[in-house]
Amino acid sequence: GQSLEQPSEVTAVEGAIVQINCTYQTSGFYGLSWYQQHDGGAPTFLSYNALDGLEETGRFSSFLSRSDSYGYLLLQELQMKDSASYFCARKVGDDKIIFGKGTRLHILP
Amino acid sequence: GAVVSQHPSWVICKSGTSVKIECRSLDFQATTMFWYRQFPKQSLMLMATSNEGSKATYEQGVEKDKFLINHASLTLSTLTVTSAHPEDSSFYICSADGLAARGGETQYFGPGTRLLVL
Repeated sequence: GQSLEQPSEVTAVEGAIVQINCTYQTSGFYGLSWYQQHDGGAPTFLSYNALDGLEETGRFSSFLSRSDSYGYLLLQELQMKDSASYFCARKVGDDKIIFGKGTRLHILP
Repeated sequence: GAVVSQHPSWVICKSGTSVKIECRSLDFQATTMFWYRQFPKQSLMLMATSNEGSKATYEQGVEKDKFLINHASLTLSTLTVTSAHPEDSSFYICSADGLAARGGETQYFGPGTRLLVL
């Protein structure tokens, strides 16, 4: 299979750090992407990991471990505007993107 | 660069009518575009892959006669929801395949079209 699993909801406090995990099935795996989607909006690309390790982009970082079929998105110095849904995603044949079910991030003041 | 637009941004129609949604790549050419549907509080579900100059490839469970896709040029794909019913009310999002950008992004999403069928 090619499905992805991620928690449905995560709650964190403003200013804190939160990690959103994603596990995937290894069949035909090329790399893991992360997207942010605010209510009513389209998904916004955050990061892509094809190789093991950590990719850092400002307050957001993404990690991949191919041996564990696992990745995560790390959000630091949380701001209220980070309240959104976060999707891990993967490419499959013909460059299609399959999305996980999404993690709703709630941030408390 | 790599901007994708959709039109209309929202549409309300009566049950039984057909609705056409356009997806355009504004500053690049896209041989492949993708159409997604998203119901409230759910994930994006891929409906079909639209290839310029050829027939679209539909995902399992998506009715090709109901969701007509035409990719007439390298910058335009259209999705027509035929004989729309209330259960077709959803958020429709397209994306276009482009050159890899810094960070690994290769698919660029449009802003989405919200369809409400009464």
